[in-house]
Amino acid sequence: EAQVTQNPRYLITVTGKKLTVTCSQNMNHEYMSWYRQDPGLGLRQIYYSMNVEVTDKGDVPEGYKVSRKEKRNFPLILESPSPNQTSLYFCASSSSGFEQYFGPGTRLTVT
Amino acid sequence: DQQVKQNSPSLSVQEGRISILNCDYTNSMFDYFLWYKKYPAEGPTFLISISSIKDKNEDGRFTVFLNKSAKHLSLHIVPSQPGDSAVYFCAASGGDNAGNMLTFGGGTRLMVKP
Repeated sequence: EAQVTQNPRYLITVTGKKLTVTCSQNMNHEYMSWYRQDPGLGLRQIYYSMNVEVTDKGDVPEGYKVSRKEKRNFPLILESPSPNQTSLYFCASSSSGFEQYFGPGTRLTVT
Repeated sequence: DQQVKQNSPSLSVQEGRISILNCDYTNSMFDYFLWYKKYPAEGPTFLISISSIKDKNEDGRFTVFLNKSAKHLSLHIVPSQPGDSAVYFCAASGGDNAGNMLTFGGGTRLMVKP
């Protein structure tokens, strides 16, 4: 089954404790992206990757890091999480960048 | 400054009637538009798209209309069904946003009452 998986689905952590949210896709897509969803703001892009070892900033990259060492994986790293990073996070992949397939989401709470 | 806006946060419609969801954009360089649908506890799923060279695209019960001069697009669902109850996001791409791929609106929650 074609899918994008994210782990964990739910995470509660404390300020400053480094965390990684994993994302994996099995569709051989070149394009992958991370979004955060906040009430009234829709989905805002954090980082995207056009291919292996190629990443670039989206609209709200501050406080986040990504890496793309393999085509199928695109982890999101929060080196020092802060409460304003409490949000719902989605990973997505696409062959074109337009019709993107989204993962189920990761709800992160930073206290 | 949001380049893509959905001014109605929610919409309630009776089953069988038409649902019309609206979206406005400010960047005249956008040339491709999409609608996504999102159920609770799931990721958004692609619904329908339209290129700026068209003014209408239809797929079953779903039709998207694009008015480039007004920088406005709308999604029509006819007839509406209870299973259509979800949050709908419009998204746009193009111009200097090309590398960024998609800019999303804030979403409209559609409730279809039986």
